[in-house]
Amino acid sequence: AQRVTQPEKLLSVFKGAPVELKCNYSYSGSPELFWYVQYSRQRLQLLLRHISRESIKGFTADLNKGETSFHLKKPFAQEEDSAMYYCALMAGGTSYGKLTFGQGTILTVHP
Amino acid sequence: SAVISQKPSRDICQRGTSLTIQCQVDSQVTMMFWYRQQPGQSLTLIATANQGSEATYESGFVIDKFPISRPNLTFSTLTVSNMSPEDSSIYLCSVEGGSGGTGELFFGEGSRLTVL
Repeated sequence: AQRVTQPEKLLSVFKGAPVELKCNYSYSGSPELFWYVQYSRQRLQLLLRHISRESIKGFTADLNKGETSFHLKKPFAQEEDSAMYYCALMAGGTSYGKLTFGQGTILTVHP
Repeated sequence: SAVISQKPSRDICQRGTSLTIQCQVDSQVTMMFWYRQQPGQSLTLIATANQGSEATYESGFVIDKFPISRPNLTFSTLTVSNMSPEDSSIYLCSVEGGSGGTGELFFGEGSRLTVL
């Protein structure tokens, strides 16, 4: 069975500071990893996926299979980045819609 | 993208009663997914609802407790039966973007249930 661990429940940084939200996973196969975000009073939404290798809102995440990690990074945090962030894993094969989520990290960016 | 509406958005229920949550999608989708988020916990998949067939339940979830209906390609319901305080959670309906297997889920706003 797969597992996703986000070791930090709360993370606070000041505006302009770098931020890194940690995510580690355990899965015997080849996973697909995602970061989802929930802003205040909004619904949960996809932020980025590792397979796209894209930067969204200045955030990037690199899949490190050796360390089984998929940390989310942003060099200069903004106040509007304050939100709940979930790391999620989809097992390989036909795992339609079946995501395993971490427990989430609440990011607060102070002015 | 998909727009998902859930009803009710929140409710307070008495122990032993049942509540049905409705989920409406603005487009036709093959599969709809029901997740649960218990207080302070992560999201956990309850079941996958396919139109025209019985729902597929994940380990730890059973049809008697969480019966699901999927009458057409845009609608599904989840019933939480014989509720206890442990069922107090946010229940989320979701669908997958693209042709499936993308991992990009669109979520409803959730239904927050409190069981007294």
